[in-house]
Amino acid sequence: GAVVSQHPSWVICKSGTSVKIECRSLDFQATTMFWYRQFPKQSLMLMATSNEGSKATYEQGVEKDKFLINHASLTLSTLTVTSAHPEDSSFYICSARQTGVRTGELFFGEGSRLTVL
Amino acid sequence: GQQLNQSPQSMFIQEGEDVSMNCTSSSIFNTWLWYKQEPGEGPVLLIALYKAGELTSNGRLTAQFGITRKDSFLNISASIPSDVGIYFCAGQSNAGNMLTFGGGTRLMVKP
Repeated sequence: GAVVSQHPSWVICKSGTSVKIECRSLDFQATTMFWYRQFPKQSLMLMATSNEGSKATYEQGVEKDKFLINHASLTLSTLTVTSAHPEDSSFYICSARQTGVRTGELFFGEGSRLTVL
Repeated sequence: GQQLNQSPQSMFIQEGEDVSMNCTSSSIFNTWLWYKQEPGEGPVLLIALYKAGELTSNGRLTAQFGITRKDSFLNISASIPSDVGIYFCAGQSNAGNMLTFGGGTRLMVKP
């Protein structure tokens, strides 16, 4: 399957700082990428859909000014958690769909665990 | 909105036993996907289903796309300790739309 890579895999930061997480499709182009958040022992919750060259689409209840998404190229989307607080601590996972391929399959990154002190 | 009910929530079985889990939906999906997630990792795609009634195997795993398009099941035969993890079903209503995930089934295998 296609490979999606996230960086960093884990990060610890102080409250009030901003953290950037990168999501890269390594062997394919992805017009659309998705960002999920997962709390312990829970399922994945879609936060936003990242579209290359345009604004991201946020799910209801997700603050777009807090979770900044940039999809500047066909292989890279970034999620920046601004002014992070302890309640933002979570496992963030991105996924991507291969452009031009008629398939519903999404390939996921390894996830990034954010801990805000 | 669309909801997926996945059951059971957890299973604790003996190595060698077969496992079955399923997902049901209140609405129709055109694609069903099954993922496995291990601790600290992202989900890994196991099986993708695209047609109602489709039965697909991947090694010891078998999944079926329900004929009503509102359900799917995943079977694991002769379980082994490395099958441990959380299994998620996911449905997609149209190509390009985001996935709706089930709540997950946590599988534990006793050697």
